[in-house]
Amino acid sequence: DTAVSQTPKYLVTQMGNDKSIKCEQNLGHDTMYWYKQDSKKFLKIMFSYNNKELIINETVPNRFSPKSPDKAHLNLHINSLELGDSAVYFCASSRTANEQFFGPGTRLTVL
Amino acid sequence: GQQVMQIPQYQHVQEGEDFTTYCNSSTTLSNIQWYKQRPGGHPVFLIQLVKSGEVKKQKRLTFQFGEAKKNSSLHITATQTTDVGTYFCANFNKFYFGSGTKLNVKP
Repeated sequence: DTAVSQTPKYLVTQMGNDKSIKCEQNLGHDTMYWYKQDSKKFLKIMFSYNNKELIINETVPNRFSPKSPDKAHLNLHINSLELGDSAVYFCASSRTANEQFFGPGTRLTVL
Repeated sequence: GQQVMQIPQYQHVQEGEDFTTYCNSSTTLSNIQWYKQRPGGHPVFLIQLVKSGEVKKQKRLTFQFGEAKKNSSLHITATQTTDVGTYFCANFNKFYFGSGTKLNVKP
């Protein structure tokens, strides 16, 4: 019974391609997030969705677009992938102002 | 923007030694959270501190929130190899994570 799941776990692709990462949570949380963790382990917030509304967007290029079909899902779509997009992407969820539950991560490698 | 600085970046200890990581903010924090990330794993929530001067304990882990709510610390007593990982502090309201302290414990 995985609380927060992400697919795929690994994603290897060429520069210029478009790709999506899916995230689902079965915790009944009202807020979901996407984080990027680079090779130096820095964790940076990318997006947060609360009740299907985007509430933060931290200087992320518009090549990245979150899509939330419902409260349990927050997918990340990336257009025109660049080398610098290589990182581990974590999805997370929480009830407002409480602990965040992270997914297992998606390791994206852009060649 | 608000930043949360964390030191040290790395810490290597012998099993049984104590370990402390510090988190500092340039501005007052409404709360602070601590997470642990095992190698190859994902961040896992440890605790949240809200009150000025708050101290919480979880077995060998002691968490403190400064009186001015600008700093926090995590102290591990008598480290074990299972403590290996990267420890992050985070300001939940702004979703800022500290740079993390990577702990290595030698058996």
